[in-house]
This record gives sequence, structure tokens and C-alpha cells, in this order.
Amino acid sequence: AQTVTQSQPEMSVQEAETVTLSCTYDTSESNYYLFWYKQPPSRQMILVIRQEAYKQQNATENRFSVNFQKAAKSFSLKISDSQLGDTAMYFCAFGPNFGNEKLTFGTGTRLTIIP
Amino acid sequence: SAVISQKPSRDICQRGTSLTIQCQVDSQVTMMFWYRQQPGQSLTLIATANQGSEATYESGFVIDKFPISRPNLTFSTLTVSNMSPEDSSIYLCSVGGIQGAAGELFFGEGSRLTVL
Repeated sequence: AQTVTQSQPEMSVQEAETVTLSCTYDTSESNYYLFWYKQPPSRQMILVIRQEAYKQQNATENRFSVNFQKAAKSFSLKISDSQLGDTAMYFCAFGPNFGNEKLTFGTGTRLTIIP
Repeated sequence: SAVISQKPSRDICQRGTSLTIQCQVDSQVTMMFWYRQQPGQSLTLIATANQGSEATYESGFVIDKFPISRPNLTFSTLTVSNMSPEDSSIYLCSVGGIQGAAGELFFGEGSRLTVL
């Protein structure tokens, strides 16, 4: 079974600064997906960014980027130029393979952006 | 992508009663899942809702407590039976198998249940 670990229960950062959220996982699979989801106070889970394990290039989406270290089983999320709207719970998630969307989620990191 | 509507958005229930949560998707999807998010916790998969057959439950969840229906490819219900305060959680419907979004889950807004 896969496990996902987020070791930072809470973080805070000043607006416009950069913050990195950590995630490690454990799996015996070679091909899989990794995701960062955001859950703001409104509760709607929103995909922030995804990474396919077979791709060596780190995924980026505007201000969001990941540092994917497959050998170390590490998948951190970097938020640049943080904005107040980034305040939310962030969940790292592992997806075993295409066609199997039974994701395993980490325990989450509560991120607060301070004005 | 997919637009997922859940009802009710929130409810306050009495101990021993049952409540059914509805999940409607704006397109046909192959995979539908029900997750539970207890207060301050992560998401835990309850079951996979299978169209036309019995749901597949994860360890620790049973059909008698969480009966699930999925009559077609756009709709599912989750019932929380004989509720106790420990069932107070957010229940989330999610869908997968969306073309162009391999491996990704889309979520409804969740149903927040409080059991007194």
C-alpha cells in the first residue's frame, strides 16, 4: 500500500514571499501520478498541479512549481509570489496509475498568507 | 473537467437517524468515489461507486453503515446510517476517468454533517 507523508501541519508566510511545502511518499510502483490539491475554507478541492512519474521535467503552473525527486520519493510544492488567495489546506496525493483514480492523500498542510 | 453538485451542502442530524447525500455530475463518468474528511483530518476513501452493481468498500467501511447507489453514469448517493457523533464529517463525492485528465480526481463541494 502507498503512503503519503506531509510533515508540516501548518505554515505561514508573508504575502509576495515564496513558500515550499514538503511531501514524501512510499510506493513500489514505477509509473504513477502525484498531485497537489488545494482546499480553501469553501471546502472545494481544487487541483493545483500534477506530475507524471515518468517525466523527469518538473511540472509548473504559473506561480506553482514542484520539485520531484523520484529516487528520494519526494514531491515538494513551491508557491512563488504568494497571494492572500493562496491561504488554504494543501494536500499531496498519490495516484497509482492511469485509469485508477483511487488517490491516497497526505494529512495536509495548512498554509496562511499574512498580509 | 467535470462539474459535481452535492446535496445537501450541510445538515445537522440527530443520533440514530440516517441521511442520504446526493451527487450529480454534468457528464457521464466511469469512476465515482466517496471520501470522508473528519474534522481537521485528511481524506479517507469510503468506497468506489460502481454503476449497476454493488459498491466496493475500503477496509473499515461496510455496506450496512454506508449504503451506496449508482443507478447511472452521472448520479450516485451515499447514505450514512444510524448516525453517531463520530460520523460528523465532510463527505465528498469525486469522479475520475475524465478524458484529458488521466489519473486526476474532481471533487464536489462536500456535504458537512454534524451529528448531535
